[in-house]
Amino acid sequence: ETGVTQTPRHLVMGMTNKKSLKCEQHLGHNAMYWYKQSAKKPLELMFVYNFKEQTENNSVPSRFSPECPNSSHLFLHLHTLQPEDSALYLCASSPPGLGLHTQYFGPGTRLTVL
Amino acid sequence: DQQVKQNSPSLSVQEGRISILNCDYTNSMFDYFLWYKKYPAEGPTFLISISSIKDKNEDGRFTVFLNKSAKHLSLHIVPSQPGDSAVYFCAAPLTNAGGTSYGKLTFGQGTILTVHP
Repeated sequence: ETGVTQTPRHLVMGMTNKKSLKCEQHLGHNAMYWYKQSAKKPLELMFVYNFKEQTENNSVPSRFSPECPNSSHLFLHLHTLQPEDSALYLCASSPPGLGLHTQYFGPGTRLTVL
Repeated sequence: DQQVKQNSPSLSVQEGRISILNCDYTNSMFDYFLWYKKYPAEGPTFLISISSIKDKNEDGRFTVFLNKSAKHLSLHIVPSQPGDSAVYFCAAPLTNAGGTSYGKLTFGQGTILTVHP
Protein backbone atom coordinates (compact mmCIF):
# COMPACT_ATOMS: atom_id res chain seq x y z
CA GLU A 1 0.00 0.00 0.00
CA THR A 2 1.49 3.35 -1.00
CA GLY A 3 2.00 5.95 1.71
CA VAL A 4 -0.69 8.52 0.90
CA THR A 5 -3.67 7.63 -1.26
CA GLN A 6 -6.34 9.90 -2.67
CA THR A 7 -9.70 9.10 -4.22
CA PRO A 8 -11.05 9.81 -6.69
CA ARG A 9 -8.13 10.62 -8.98
CA HIS A 10 -10.36 12.57 -11.34
CA LEU A 11 -13.65 14.31 -10.65
CA VAL A 12 -15.97 16.34 -12.86
CA MET A 13 -18.81 18.11 -11.12
CA GLY A 14 -21.39 20.76 -11.76
CA MET A 15 -21.64 23.91 -9.70
CA THR A 16 -24.68 22.63 -7.81
CA ASN A 17 -23.22 19.23 -6.94
CA LYS A 18 -21.89 18.06 -3.60
CA LYS A 19 -18.89 15.78 -3.63
CA SER A 20 -16.11 14.71 -1.29
CA LEU A 21 -12.42 14.05 -1.77
CA LYS A 22 -10.82 11.41 0.39
CA CYS A 23 -7.25 11.08 1.60
CA GLU A 24 -5.75 8.23 3.59
CA GLN A 25 -2.22 7.85 4.90
CA HIS A 26 -0.58 4.64 6.05
CA LEU A 27 2.56 6.21 7.46
CA GLY A 28 1.54 6.73 11.07
CA HIS A 29 1.79 10.50 10.70
CA ASN A 30 -0.10 12.94 12.88
CA ALA A 31 -0.35 15.95 10.59
CA MET A 32 -2.36 16.11 7.38
CA TYR A 33 -2.77 18.86 4.80
CA TRP A 34 -4.88 19.91 1.85
CA TYR A 35 -3.19 21.86 -0.95
CA LYS A 36 -4.56 23.33 -4.14
CA GLN A 37 -2.52 23.61 -7.32
CA SER A 38 -4.03 25.71 -10.08
CA ALA A 39 -2.51 25.95 -13.52
CA LYS A 40 0.75 27.92 -13.54
CA LYS A 41 0.45 28.79 -9.85
CA PRO A 42 2.40 27.55 -6.84
CA LEU A 43 0.94 25.00 -4.49
CA GLU A 44 -1.37 26.80 -2.07
CA LEU A 45 -1.88 25.45 1.42
CA MET A 46 -5.58 25.22 2.28
CA PHE A 47 -5.90 23.41 5.61
CA VAL A 48 -3.65 21.84 8.23
CA TYR A 49 -4.69 19.25 10.79
CA ASN A 50 -2.50 18.18 13.70
CA PHE A 51 -3.71 15.25 15.78
CA LYS A 52 -7.17 15.62 14.18
CA GLU A 53 -7.42 19.30 15.17
CA GLN A 54 -7.51 21.98 12.51
CA THR A 55 -4.57 24.30 13.09
CA GLU A 56 -4.69 26.28 9.88
CA ASN A 57 -7.37 27.57 7.55
CA ASN A 58 -5.66 29.63 4.92
CA SER A 59 -8.65 31.91 4.18
CA VAL A 60 -10.37 29.17 2.23
CA PRO A 61 -13.98 29.84 1.09
CA SER A 62 -16.64 27.99 3.04
CA ARG A 63 -17.67 26.00 -0.03
CA PHE A 64 -14.64 23.86 0.89
CA SER A 65 -15.22 22.00 4.16
CA PRO A 66 -12.50 19.74 5.58
CA GLU A 67 -13.06 16.85 7.94
CA CYS A 68 -10.47 14.83 9.83
CA PRO A 69 -12.12 11.96 11.73
CA ASN A 70 -8.79 10.44 12.76
CA SER A 71 -5.09 10.89 12.11
CA SER A 72 -5.17 8.58 9.09
CA HIS A 73 -8.09 10.05 7.16
CA LEU A 74 -8.82 13.46 5.75
CA PHE A 75 -11.78 14.56 3.67
CA LEU A 76 -12.54 17.66 1.67
CA HIS A 77 -16.26 18.22 1.19
CA LEU A 78 -17.17 20.32 -1.80
CA HIS A 79 -20.43 22.15 -2.50
CA THR A 80 -21.56 24.89 -4.86
CA LEU A 81 -18.10 25.23 -6.36
CA GLN A 82 -17.15 27.67 -9.08
CA PRO A 83 -15.34 26.93 -12.36
CA GLU A 84 -12.26 28.72 -10.99
CA ASP A 85 -12.05 26.03 -8.32
CA SER A 86 -10.95 23.59 -11.01
CA ALA A 87 -7.47 22.48 -9.98
CA LEU A 88 -5.35 19.64 -8.69
CA TYR A 89 -6.08 19.01 -5.02
CA LEU A 90 -3.24 17.40 -3.15
CA CYS A 91 -3.27 15.79 0.26
CA ALA A 92 -0.12 15.40 2.32
CA SER A 93 0.94 14.08 5.70
CA SER A 94 3.98 14.51 7.89
CA PRO A 95 5.39 13.16 11.14
CA PRO A 96 5.47 15.36 14.23
CA GLY A 97 8.44 17.30 15.54
CA LEU A 98 11.42 17.96 13.32
CA GLY A 99 9.88 15.99 10.45
CA LEU A 100 6.88 18.29 10.22
CA HIS A 101 8.09 19.96 7.03
CA THR A 102 9.03 16.78 5.22
CA GLN A 103 5.61 16.21 3.81
CA TYR A 104 4.52 13.14 1.91
CA PHE A 105 2.05 13.85 -0.84
CA GLY A 106 -0.66 11.79 -2.43
CA PRO A 107 -1.11 11.71 -6.20
CA GLY A 108 -3.87 14.31 -6.12
CA THR A 109 -7.42 14.61 -7.38
CA ARG A 110 -7.85 16.46 -10.66
CA LEU A 111 -11.10 18.41 -10.19
CA THR A 112 -13.04 20.02 -13.02
CA VAL A 113 -16.02 22.22 -12.19
CA LEU A 114 -18.39 22.81 -15.07
CA ASP B 1 2.69 38.16 -1.98
CA GLN B 2 4.89 35.27 -2.99
CA GLN B 3 7.82 34.81 -0.62
CA VAL B 4 9.54 32.02 -2.54
CA LYS B 5 10.12 32.50 -6.24
CA GLN B 6 11.44 30.34 -9.03
CA ASN B 7 11.91 32.66 -11.95
CA SER B 8 12.82 30.05 -14.54
CA PRO B 9 9.73 28.13 -15.64
CA SER B 10 11.81 25.55 -17.51
CA LEU B 11 15.33 24.22 -17.98
CA SER B 12 16.68 21.86 -20.63
CA VAL B 13 19.92 19.96 -20.05
CA GLN B 14 21.89 17.23 -21.81
CA GLU B 15 22.29 13.91 -20.03
CA GLY B 16 25.51 13.80 -18.01
CA ARG B 17 25.73 17.57 -17.63
CA ILE B 18 24.93 19.64 -14.56
CA SER B 19 21.42 20.95 -13.91
CA ILE B 20 21.17 24.09 -11.78
CA LEU B 21 17.75 25.07 -10.50
CA ASN B 22 17.41 28.42 -8.77
CA CYS B 23 15.15 29.79 -6.07
CA ASP B 24 14.94 33.24 -4.46
CA TYR B 25 13.16 34.22 -1.29
CA THR B 26 12.15 37.50 0.26
CA ASN B 27 11.64 36.64 3.93
CA SER B 28 14.91 36.88 5.85
CA MET B 29 13.29 34.96 8.73
CA PHE B 30 13.22 31.74 6.74
CA ASP B 31 15.66 29.31 8.32
CA TYR B 32 14.93 26.07 6.51
CA PHE B 33 14.40 25.22 2.88
CA LEU B 34 13.26 22.15 1.01
CA TRP B 35 13.25 20.91 -2.56
CA TYR B 36 10.50 18.69 -3.90
CA LYS B 37 10.30 16.86 -7.21
CA LYS B 38 7.05 16.10 -9.03
CA TYR B 39 6.45 13.68 -11.88
CA PRO B 40 3.26 13.93 -13.97
CA ALA B 41 0.24 12.25 -12.35
CA GLU B 42 2.09 11.95 -9.04
CA GLY B 43 2.30 14.11 -5.95
CA PRO B 44 5.50 15.98 -5.06
CA THR B 45 8.19 13.96 -3.30
CA PHE B 46 10.73 15.35 -0.88
CA LEU B 47 14.22 15.53 -2.35
CA ILE B 48 16.62 17.43 -0.12
CA SER B 49 16.61 20.18 2.50
CA ILE B 50 19.00 22.68 4.04
CA SER B 51 19.08 24.57 7.30
CA SER B 52 20.19 28.19 7.38
CA ILE B 53 23.10 27.28 9.63
CA LYS B 54 24.65 25.57 6.61
CA ASP B 55 25.51 26.83 3.16
CA LYS B 56 25.63 23.45 1.48
CA ASN B 57 23.97 20.07 1.81
CA GLU B 58 24.77 17.11 -0.38
CA ASP B 59 22.93 13.86 -1.01
CA GLY B 60 24.34 11.75 -3.80
CA ARG B 61 23.94 13.55 -7.11
CA PHE B 62 21.92 16.35 -5.47
CA THR B 63 23.47 19.35 -3.73
CA VAL B 64 21.67 22.38 -2.41
CA PHE B 65 23.55 25.65 -1.88
CA LEU B 66 22.26 28.48 0.27
CA ASN B 67 23.40 32.09 -0.02
CA LYS B 68 21.71 33.90 2.84
CA SER B 69 23.04 37.34 2.01
CA ALA B 70 21.56 37.06 -1.48
CA LYS B 71 18.43 35.22 -0.25
CA HIS B 72 19.10 32.65 -2.90
CA LEU B 73 19.33 28.90 -3.03
CA SER B 74 20.10 26.53 -5.83
CA LEU B 75 19.80 22.82 -6.48
CA HIS B 76 22.59 21.17 -8.44
CA ILE B 77 22.12 17.79 -10.06
CA VAL B 78 25.32 16.14 -11.28
CA PRO B 79 25.33 14.20 -13.50
CA SER B 80 21.82 14.78 -14.82
CA GLN B 81 19.86 11.74 -15.96
CA PRO B 82 16.72 11.47 -18.12
CA GLY B 83 14.86 10.14 -15.08
CA ASP B 84 15.46 13.49 -13.38
CA SER B 85 13.04 15.11 -15.82
CA ALA B 86 10.30 16.49 -13.58
CA VAL B 87 8.99 19.67 -12.00
CA TYR B 88 11.14 20.91 -9.12
CA PHE B 89 9.71 23.07 -6.34
CA CYS B 90 11.56 24.91 -3.62
CA ALA B 91 9.70 25.56 -0.38
CA ALA B 92 10.15 27.18 3.00
CA PRO B 93 8.21 26.85 6.28
CA LEU B 94 6.02 29.75 7.33
CA THR B 95 5.70 30.59 11.00
CA ASN B 96 3.09 32.48 12.96
CA ALA B 97 3.84 35.43 15.21
CA GLY B 98 4.90 33.08 17.97
CA GLY B 99 7.39 31.32 15.72
CA THR B 100 5.34 28.12 15.39
CA SER B 101 5.11 26.57 11.96
CA TYR B 102 2.48 23.82 12.19
CA GLY B 103 3.94 22.44 8.98
CA LYS B 104 2.92 25.40 6.82
CA LEU B 105 5.03 25.46 3.70
CA THR B 106 5.14 28.11 1.03
CA PHE B 107 6.18 26.90 -2.42
CA GLY B 108 7.73 28.44 -5.49
CA GLN B 109 6.03 28.14 -8.86
CA GLY B 110 8.21 25.25 -9.93
CA THR B 111 10.77 24.71 -12.70
CA ILE B 112 10.25 22.05 -15.36
CA LEU B 113 13.53 20.20 -15.89
CA THR B 114 13.99 18.21 -19.08
CA VAL B 115 17.09 16.05 -19.39
CA HIS B 116 17.76 14.92 -22.95
CA PRO B 117 19.49 11.60 -23.65
